[in-house]
Amino acid sequence: DTGVSQNPRHKITKRGQNVTFRCDPISEHNRLYWYRQTLGQGPEFLTYFQNEAQLEKSRLLSDRFSAERPKGSFSTLEIQRTEQGDSAMYLCASSLDSVAYNEQFFGPGTRLTVL
Amino acid sequence: DQQVKQNSPSLSVQEGRISILNCDYTNSMFDYFLWYKKYPAEGPTFLISISSIKDKNEDGRFTVFLNKSAKHLSLHIVPSQPGDSAVYFCAAPNNAGNMLTFGGGTRLMVKP
Repeated sequence: DTGVSQNPRHKITKRGQNVTFRCDPISEHNRLYWYRQTLGQGPEFLTYFQNEAQLEKSRLLSDRFSAERPKGSFSTLEIQRTEQGDSAMYLCASSLDSVAYNEQFFGPGTRLTVL
Repeated sequence: DQQVKQNSPSLSVQEGRISILNCDYTNSMFDYFLWYKKYPAEGPTFLISISSIKDKNEDGRFTVFLNKSAKHLSLHIVPSQPGDSAVYFCAAPNNAGNMLTFGGGTRLMVKP
């Protein structure tokens, strides 16, 4: 399968714990995005990488959140000191980089539940 | 502020009939729009798009209409099939193309 993959698919944690999610984009895609989706809402942009450079961050990305893409391939999203409000679906997407807009391909998401 | 809005959280349609999903936007800088479809336990998948230089784009059973003066777009599915039952999101990229702004989604149920 050559689509975007995310691991784990589900994560249940206790408030205050740290969690880390992984995203593997489509191999030739140099753009990678993280979104968060809460129940009944559309996905909300969190951050964006072009290769290994993090170029855009939403104000939703508090200082407890950190994202990396160390070699310009897979990416990780870490949430420190989780809070119940962090419970959501975390979606990763990737796309090619070109002048024209390119479709973003989404992974299946990681569902986080903070107890 | 919600720059992209889908005011109908759900829509129920009989198989074979037309489904019309609506989307409104407030940001006049948006010049490209997309519709994504999402099944449970899967990520959104791209369905159809439209550039602001057009007012209609058709792909098989799916047609998107854009009314720039009203800042409104709609997705028509004809004929609707039970497999079309999913949540549909409209979205618009910022000018740099690195961030999508999504509407809240409309859950479509197509009854056999």
